[in-house]
Amino acid sequence: GQQVMQIPQYQHVQEGEDFTTYCNSSTTLSNIQWYKQRPGGHPVFLIQLVKSGEVKKQKRLTFQFGEAKKNSSLHITATQTTDVGTYFCAGGFKTIFGAGTRLFVKA
Amino acid sequence: DTGVSQDPRHKITKRGQNVTFRCDPISEHNRLYWYRQTLGQGPEFLTYFQNEAQLEKSRLLSDRFSAERPKGSFSTLEIQRTEQGDSAMYLCASSPSGGHTDTQYFGPGTRLTVL
Repeated sequence: GQQVMQIPQYQHVQEGEDFTTYCNSSTTLSNIQWYKQRPGGHPVFLIQLVKSGEVKKQKRLTFQFGEAKKNSSLHITATQTTDVGTYFCAGGFKTIFGAGTRLFVKA
Repeated sequence: DTGVSQDPRHKITKRGQNVTFRCDPISEHNRLYWYRQTLGQGPEFLTYFQNEAQLEKSRLLSDRFSAERPKGSFSTLEIQRTEQGDSAMYLCASSPSGGHTDTQYFGPGTRLTVL
């Protein structure tokens, strides 16, 4: 069945450093979504990408959807302590979630 | 607050008991999803409704799990004869229907502990 893999599993950064998480699907996706989950919270929608090669920006966050629509990335520029949490990608009709990348930011 | 709500927020039960959770989606959303999430993992799809019709059910879901959405509004998830392995956060999400719009809005979840 369809699988969505995310790397890395976790990352520790110093505040101000950049961060990138990668998402790979075993099959072509019609769309991909990114969610953020704070510790103790629930997933919160960040963005949806639909088009091949699409790039979207939200302030310090940059999202990319691969040309083959099988991979995606989220890049955070100059991390802040408020960026702490787990970032999930999700794709497919049933919205298959990756295991997430947990971001730790040291002030 | 017009977001997704879930009740109860926490449930502790003994093995073998039945439990039922409720989810109230955002009012204009046709689609409703149930997920299970364990520590360190992403949400795991359980089932999905389009209005009152249950269109998809995970093969991972045993016969002890059943979900309903009788009037196309709120939904219930029942677990019969609970087992310790059922301990998890049960998340509900809703989304508007149509096209590529699969954006889901999650509720706060119901944390189930089976003793």
